[in-house]
Amino acid sequence: GQQLNQSPQSMFIQEGEDVSMNCTSSSIFNTWLWYKQEPGEGPVLLIALYKAGELTSNGRLTAQFGITRKDSFLNISASIPSDVGIYFCAGPADTDKLIFGTGTRLQVFP
Amino acid sequence: KAGVTQTPRYLIKTRGQQVTLSCSPISGHRSVSWYQQTPGQGLQFLFEYFSETQRNKGNFPGRFSGRQFSNSRSEMNVSTLELGDSALYLCASSIQWGSSYEQYFGPGTRLTVT
Repeated sequence: GQQLNQSPQSMFIQEGEDVSMNCTSSSIFNTWLWYKQEPGEGPVLLIALYKAGELTSNGRLTAQFGITRKDSFLNISASIPSDVGIYFCAGPADTDKLIFGTGTRLQVFP
Repeated sequence: KAGVTQTPRYLIKTRGQQVTLSCSPISGHRSVSWYQQTPGQGLQFLFEYFSETQRNKGNFPGRFSGRQFSNSRSEMNVSTLELGDSALYLCASSIQWGSSYEQYFGPGTRLTVT
């Protein structure tokens, strides 16, 4: 079945550093969603992308819809401690179900 | 606008029992999806309801069922609980049905089966 692979699996960075993570698919997607989940809470939608090549920002977060439509990227600039959490990408499977990536766990040290 | 609410937040049940979880979507949202999240399997789609009709279903046994009411509120039921059903159950709502629409999640119900 369709899968979304995220890398890296985890990141340990210092406050102030920039972060990059990506998500790749074995098939073409028409939509990419990026979520952040903090412990004990549900995922929170950060950015939605609907067009190949689209670059969208939400504060310090920037996400891009890859040209091949098989990948997407999320960047966080000048990380702060509250950026800690697990970041998930998600996209629609051909069965019209939303499938989620494996997640990138981010730890930020002061 | 109030977000997605789920009740209860925490639940402890024993094997063989059944459980019902409740979800109230964002006002105006007519689609409700349910997901199971475990450390080993990640986020897995259970089912999606729109206008009281199940529109899509994941690969879960028939012990997992759901329904949606005319006010878009939804419930999911798990019968004959097994230890492996311990998980965070998440509900998400969106305006339309289908995975291309932005989904907004509730805080989840943490179910522990002993």
